[in-house]
Amino acid sequence: EPEVTQTPSHQVTQMGQEVILRCVPISNHLYFYWYRQILGQKVEFLVSFYNNEISEKSEIFDDQFSVERPDGSNFTLKIRSTKLEDSAMYFCASSDEREQADTQYFGPGTRLTVL
Amino acid sequence: QQQVKQSPQSLIVQKGGISIINCAYENTAFDYFPWYQQFPGKGPALLIAIRPDVSEKKEGRFTISFNKSAKQFSLHIMDSQPGDSATYFCAASSDYKLSFGAGTTVTVRA
Repeated sequence: EPEVTQTPSHQVTQMGQEVILRCVPISNHLYFYWYRQILGQKVEFLVSFYNNEISEKSEIFDDQFSVERPDGSNFTLKIRSTKLEDSAMYFCASSDEREQADTQYFGPGTRLTVL
Repeated sequence: QQQVKQSPQSLIVQKGGISIINCAYENTAFDYFPWYQQFPGKGPALLIAIRPDVSEKKEGRFTISFNKSAKQFSLHIMDSQPGDSATYFCAASSDYKLSFGAGTTVTVRA
């Protein structure tokens, strides 16, 4: 069964450093998303991406964040200058326009630890 | 602003029992209501979902009940099994953006 994959599974970085989280969505999916989950809290929407541009973003997704689909398979989330409060699990998700675009399938997540 | 409220925060049920998790929403623009199951260290996995034109949906031991006028929906897990022990999140979607509830940790005792 196709699944969303994410790398790395765990990233440790120093405050102020840039990090790039990588995702490979399900191959025929057209909508891509990033969510985050701070430890013990609920999952929060960050950004949605369709047709090579951002569809919607939350107030969390400020100028320090950016997304990119650099090729036909990868979808990345970049945090330009990490803060302590960026420590969280980051989940990538994708959905198929033809099926139901709001049926989102999540990857296993990347745990980001900012020291 | 908490758009989706979920309760209880946790529950314990005996094997074979029924687990019931409730959610309420405020935004009438929501048009899709999925439930996700999450095990520790894993991503949320889609369990079952419903649209507001249907009042109930059943898949195996999992049933969603939906009350559009009350803006409430619930997940029933019948014949609960130890393997069902996980955190369950309700969510609501508008313009393909999911708003999640706070989660319910379900523990099924053998």
